[in-house]
Amino acid sequence: AQSVSQHNHHVILSEAASLELGCNYSYGGTVNLFWYVQYPGQHLQLLLKYFSGDPLVKGIKGFEAEFIKSKFSFNLRKPSVQWSDTAEYFCAVKRPSGGSYIPTFGRGTSLIVHP
Amino acid sequence: EADIYQTPRYLVIGTGKKITLECSQTMGHDKMYWYQQDPGMELHLIHYSYGVNSTEKGDLSSESTVSRIRTEHFPLTLESARPSHTSQYLCASSDVTDTQYFGPGTRLTVL
Repeated sequence: AQSVSQHNHHVILSEAASLELGCNYSYGGTVNLFWYVQYPGQHLQLLLKYFSGDPLVKGIKGFEAEFIKSKFSFNLRKPSVQWSDTAEYFCAVKRPSGGSYIPTFGRGTSLIVHP
Repeated sequence: EADIYQTPRYLVIGTGKKITLECSQTMGHDKMYWYQQDPGMELHLIHYSYGVNSTEKGDLSSESTVSRIRTEHFPLTLESARPSHTSQYLCASSDVTDTQYFGPGTRLTVL
């Protein structure tokens, strides 16, 4: 089945460690790619997005993601995490469906950063 | 902070009851969405609307229905709630760049 896969469901890091969260999708054609974050007690919010152009996109709080079309991947990275990055991270793809575009989310990755 | 609201935040009801989950946004967005999410699982799109009087079913089959009579309002209704409907329901709207803005969610428990 077509889907969005996030391979790491739970990640635990110490502060200053580097982070990479994997996201793969299985849809062909043109897609728009997103990472959303949900901090404890807050709404889901946009972290970064890719529509076209430079495949390396930068988001808020030092996060970046790289779109690799040949690998159908959009991995999220941060060189040095902070305790405040503890949150749920969701990868999402907006893909064609029946003449329109609809969003599909992965199951999320829970990140815990120890001080 | 996004201006998208959901009520109630928590709801516990008995089997067979009719319920309506409210969602409203003040950003003037044409596109609105309802998702169902169980703990540790994907957000499943159950309904979406790209404008007034336009509604579509999403990927996940759902016994709920929606309406879009006004741009700012996108309620979801369950005619007869069952324990299998127990879940969190998230409402969102998106702007012209397709960035989605989410509400706080309604956590529904059907006994």
